Amino acid sequence: EAQVTQNPRYLITVTGKKLTVTCSQNMNHEYMSWYRQDPGLGLRQIYYSMNVEVTDKGDVPEGYKVSRKEKRNFPLILESPSPNQTSLYFCASSRGQGNQPQHFGDGTRLSIL
Amino acid sequence: GENVEQHPSTLSVQEGDSAVIKCTYSDSASNYFPWYKQELGKGPQLIIDIRSNVGEKKDQRIAVTLNKTAKHFSLHITETQPEDSAVYFCAASSVGYSTLTFGKGTMLLVSP
Repeated sequence: EAQVTQNPRYLITVTGKKLTVTCSQNMNHEYMSWYRQDPGLGLRQIYYSMNVEVTDKGDVPEGYKVSRKEKRNFPLILESPSPNQTSLYFCASSRGQGNQPQHFGDGTRLSIL
Repeated sequence: GENVEQHPSTLSVQEGDSAVIKCTYSDSASNYFPWYKQELGKGPQLIIDIRSNVGEKKDQRIAVTLNKTAKHFSLHITETQPEDSAVYFCAASSVGYSTLTFGKGTMLLVSP
């Protein structure tokens, strides 16, 4: 089954404690992306990757890091989380670029205390 | 960059009625306009999309129309059913652009 898998689905942690949210896709997609969803703000792009070892900033990259060492994986790293990063996070993948249908994971709800 | 405005933010209809959600975009170079449906506890799922060389596209009860001159596109759902209740997002992307810009979403509630 074609899918995008995120882990963990839920996490409560404290300010400053480094965390990583993993994302994996099994569709051999070149493009992967991270979004955060906040009430009243919709989905905003954090980082994206066009292919292995190619990453770039989206609209709200501050406080986040990503890496793309393998085609299927695109982890999101919060090195020093702060309460304003409390949000619902989605990973997505697609063939080609951002102007193609994107497949989303089921989300990761992060709470930073 | 691209800016996408979506209206209304909430929409309540009776089962069997039609629902229309409208979006406007700012970048005249945008050429790809998808619509996503997000159910509670799930990620957004693509329901229909349209490219700028097409004015209208239909898939059963769902249709999308695009007016390039006015830079707006709309989602039309006919014969609504309770299972259509969800949050709907429009988005826009351009050739050569690597990003998809989303509207803020519309919560659709279909009452039996």
